[in-house]
Amino acid sequence: KAGVTQTPRYLIKTRGQQVTLSCSPISGHRSVSWYQQTPGQGLQFLFEYFSETQRNKGNFPGRFSGRQFSNSRSEMNVSTLELGDSALYLCASSLALGGPDETQYFGPGTRLLVL
Amino acid sequence: KQEVTQIPAALSVPEGENLVLNCSFTDSAIYNLQWFRQDPGKGLTSLLLIQSSQREQTSGRLNASLDKSSGRSTLYIAASQPGDSATYLCAVDSNYQLIWGAGTKLIIKP
Repeated sequence: KAGVTQTPRYLIKTRGQQVTLSCSPISGHRSVSWYQQTPGQGLQFLFEYFSETQRNKGNFPGRFSGRQFSNSRSEMNVSTLELGDSALYLCASSLALGGPDETQYFGPGTRLLVL
Repeated sequence: KQEVTQIPAALSVPEGENLVLNCSFTDSAIYNLQWFRQDPGKGLTSLLLIQSSQREQTSGRLNASLDKSSGRSTLYIAASQPGDSATYLCAVDSNYQLIWGAGTKLIIKP
């Protein structure tokens, strides 16, 4: 079974631009979560989707948004990029996050550099 | 607000030693606790998941325990090997999100 895939793997943008990152979960997984990882803040939760519904959102500005499609694939968008948005963005999938036995499986991440 | 703390932040031990990594959390209302490892420049690999009703889980040389009432978990690594060198992170599953500790960077010296 194929793992979680994320595209693109690396991205360089300039301040003010917008970016869209894509995540394809493991087949059969309906929950997709997004995380931002930086050296200073560590791993921080962005949002979680289950069956196209956002169930929870982390403490990030409205410039960060996401969506999930009917095939469970998910995208996240960051508008008006700032230097501080430079980070590794990780996507994870599970059958249904929120249960007692729901391991999350992570993709390799998209490394975003904002210049 | 749930907070997760990992101690120590870094650990360097000779190969073959047994070691313990610690994780504490402030709110016991969790679905489960998960331990991950992260190798430099790479994503996260799930190691063990302990359900909130369980006390421990084992996988090979790894054993994780959970004491929900005291808000603590430990990851025990037996007979450490250089390949175990990585950053180990614990995360609690609460309200449809994982809340993370800052990690313990582990170096196993040959």
